[in-house]
Amino acid sequence: GQQLNQSPQSMFIQEGEDVSMNCTSSSIFNTWLWYKQDPGEGPVLLIALYKAGELTSNGRLTAQFGITRKDSFLNISASIPSDVGIYFCAGRNYGGSQGNLIFGKGTKLSVKP
Amino acid sequence: EAQVTQNPRYLITVTGKKLTVTCSQNMNHEYMSWYRQDPGLGLRQIYYSMNVEVTDKGDVPEGYKVSRKEKRNFPLILESPSPNQTSLYFCASSLDRGFGYTFGSGTRLTVV
Repeated sequence: GQQLNQSPQSMFIQEGEDVSMNCTSSSIFNTWLWYKQDPGEGPVLLIALYKAGELTSNGRLTAQFGITRKDSFLNISASIPSDVGIYFCAGRNYGGSQGNLIFGKGTKLSVKP
Repeated sequence: EAQVTQNPRYLITVTGKKLTVTCSQNMNHEYMSWYRQDPGLGLRQIYYSMNVEVTDKGDVPEGYKVSRKEKRNFPLILESPSPNQTSLYFCASSLDRGFGYTFGSGTRLTVV
């Protein structure tokens, strides 16, 4: 099946630092979503993007829908210990079924106090 | 409280013994889906449903069955489980095709 390339795989940062991660696809997507998963829980939706070029913020999180429709990035500013977790990008292929949401392999974020 | 409820949370079973993982949502969502999560592979979609009696295969449907007889329920059936189906399973639902999925808390399945 189709895959999203998410990078980096893992990050170890100091509290207070900014974080950036991204996702790319070989095909055009019409929706990009960013999720966070805490240990022992299901993923929780952070930000949803529906339009090429769209830039959306949710508190310290900012995400953008790439202008080519083939990529997206997520930034976290001034990281804090509770930002620890796995972050996933997800997208819907432009030509695919609306129910078919594809996930990247995740970026594991560790924050040192 | 709006939620997606899966049961059981943990299950250990033997190869070949049929099992069902239940999933229920109380948000009147149209879309429901099952994913499996494996280390290094992320979340992979097994099946999804756009409405009652309408289902379609995801990326890894082999060895699984689903049914959507009622809007709120979307059980995952493993007719003859094998060890390679040992995984963490998530059920999810979405109001409409334009929205992201809301996930349940997961079912950790071990097949020995």
